[in-house]
Amino acid sequence: AQTVTQSQPEMSVQEAETVTLSCTYDTSESDYYLFWYKQPPSRQMILVIRQEAYKQQNATENRFSVNFQKAAKSFSLKISDSQLGDAAMYFCAYRSAGGKLIFGQGTELSVKP
Amino acid sequence: DAGVIQSPRHEVTEMGQEVTLRCKPISGHNSLFWYRQTMMRGLELLIYFNNNVPIDDSGMPEDRFSAKMPNASFSTLKIQPSEPRDSAVYFCANRERWDRDYTFGSGTRLTVV
Repeated sequence: AQTVTQSQPEMSVQEAETVTLSCTYDTSESDYYLFWYKQPPSRQMILVIRQEAYKQQNATENRFSVNFQKAAKSFSLKISDSQLGDAAMYFCAYRSAGGKLIFGQGTELSVKP
Repeated sequence: DAGVIQSPRHEVTEMGQEVTLRCKPISGHNSLFWYRQTMMRGLELLIYFNNNVPIDDSGMPEDRFSAKMPNASFSTLKIQPSEPRDSAVYFCANRERWDRDYTFGSGTRLTVV
């Protein structure tokens, strides 16, 4: 069975600085997707970024980028130029070939002005 | 498109009562997922459907929980009888077959007293 692990329950970053959230996963599949979701206090689940496992190039969306290390089964999220609005819970998620979406425990990010 | 619609947004019920949570998926999106979110356990996948058929219900905690998808426009998650430990936020998520991404509803916050 696939598992997703986020080892940082909480992280803090100064406004305008850069922060990296860690995620590791375990799978025997070769074809899958990885995602980072943001959940603000409104509890809405917002897709931040996705990575297809077959792509070697790391995904980037504006200030958000990932470091995807397939052999190491690592998928970290880097947030550059952090803004107050980035404060939220961040979830790493794995989607299997069958479509099942599994989440890590989450990392709560706070941004200090 | 109104997205994935969940009702009610909040539910408070007494222990032992039956609770029914509802989800209206996006038209044409044929995969539907029910998740439970708690502080202790994070986001747990309870069950998911493809084309209205339950594919994996291994996450359903016990027989008190049941889920149905009678048609492509509607799904329910029922708890009977409810217990205080069922208190959580329950999310419904939806995906189109060939789409990479998932759309989440706003969740139902259930409190069992």
